[in-house]
Amino acid sequence: GQQVMQIPQYQHVQEGEDFTTYCNSSTTLSNIQWYKQRPGGHPVFLIQLVKSGEVKKQKRLTFQFGEAKKNSSLHITATQTTDVGTYFCAGPAYNTDKLIFGTGTRLQVFP
Amino acid sequence: EPEVTQTPSHQVTQMGQEVILRCVPISNHLYFYWYRQILGQKVEFLVSFYNNEISEKSEIFDDQFSVERPDGSNFTLKIRSTKLEDSAMYFCASSVTSGVSYEQYFGPGTRLTVT
Repeated sequence: GQQVMQIPQYQHVQEGEDFTTYCNSSTTLSNIQWYKQRPGGHPVFLIQLVKSGEVKKQKRLTFQFGEAKKNSSLHITATQTTDVGTYFCAGPAYNTDKLIFGTGTRLQVFP
Repeated sequence: EPEVTQTPSHQVTQMGQEVILRCVPISNHLYFYWYRQILGQKVEFLVSFYNNEISEKSEIFDDQFSVERPDGSNFTLKIRSTKLEDSAMYFCASSVTSGVSYEQYFGPGTRLTVT
């Protein structure tokens, strides 16, 4: 079946350092969504990318959708302690109403 | 801001017992979902529901699971005979329209512990 993998699994950074998580799907995606889950919390929608090669920015966060629409990345510039959490990408399974979540990257930021 | 609510926040049950997890989706949303997350792992899709019927379900969603929208506001997940491996966080989500094309709003979750 379709798989969505993310690397790295964990990332510990010093506050102010940059962070990137990479998302790879085994199949082409019609769109990719990113969610953030704080420790003990629930997933919260961050953004959706639809077009091949699309790049979107939200303040210090930059999201990219690959040209082949099989991979995506999230880059955070100058991390802050409020960025702590697990970042999940999620894409729809082909021709279904099912959202497949990636394996997640847990970000820890040390002050 | 409207939000998805879920009750209870924590449910402890014995193996073999039936549990019902409850959710109130956002009022103008049309698509509803249940996901589960085993501690420390990824979020796994269970089922999607639209127009009073299941539109999609995963391999996890076997005959022990059922969903219902008993009235205009609640959306429930029933597990008929719980197993130890059903212990997980269960999230309800809703979206205004076709969920895989639009953002999904997640509830705070119900932590199910099967002993």
